[in-house]
Amino acid sequence: GAGVSQTPSNKVTEKGKYVELRCDPISGHTALYWYRQSLGQGPEFLIYFQGTGAADDSGLPNDRFFAVRPEGSVSTLKIQRTERGDSAVYLCASSPTSGRYNEQFFGPGTRLTVL
Amino acid sequence: SQQGEEDPQALSIQEGENATMNCSYKTSINNLQWYRQNSGRGLVHLILIRSNEREKHSGRLRVTLDTSKKSSSLLITASRAADTASYFCATDGGANNLFFGTGTRLTVIP
Repeated sequence: GAGVSQTPSNKVTEKGKYVELRCDPISGHTALYWYRQSLGQGPEFLIYFQGTGAADDSGLPNDRFFAVRPEGSVSTLKIQRTERGDSAVYLCASSPTSGRYNEQFFGPGTRLTVL
Repeated sequence: SQQGEEDPQALSIQEGENATMNCSYKTSINNLQWYRQNSGRGLVHLILIRSNEREKHSGRLRVTLDTSKKSSSLLITASRAADTASYFCATDGGANNLFFGTGTRLTVIP
């Protein structure tokens, strides 16, 4: 079956611009996660959705970052007034439930470059 | 901040040899997972070990967990060139999200 998909695969923007990154989770997966991975580092947690609601947004670095999942499926990560330090690969993952023994299935990521 | 730390940061071995990577973490966990990431691609789940388990096998992979030392190891036996990738340990830290280490970059030379 289809895995987690993310669009676009690459996004280049200018400092100060607004960007949206999209994640399509595996069908039926209720839990959805966003992570950010900088070069040479492991992924860092941003936000977790259970259904439509953000159950944990403690990883969002500041109020320029926001994410939604209005129908409990597709999610959009929104970044306002982008800064060069936002450049990274943004990874989305989903899992069947929020159970702590579930593996997370990752998408290929969106590489964001802020010039 | 990331909870896990892998050791070594980089490892280079000949095809057919075994590769061992270690992970240390800081807080109590429910489970520990290992993921592989090929260059330019997403993370692939390899194996999950629960906090009450000490060892787990999956094909050529063997994972151990020592909760008293807050450490885990991943052993890949009879390595292949296709095993070349970065390997990350991830812990739940009692939450639903994962905390990843900085990874071990494994290179298997044909």
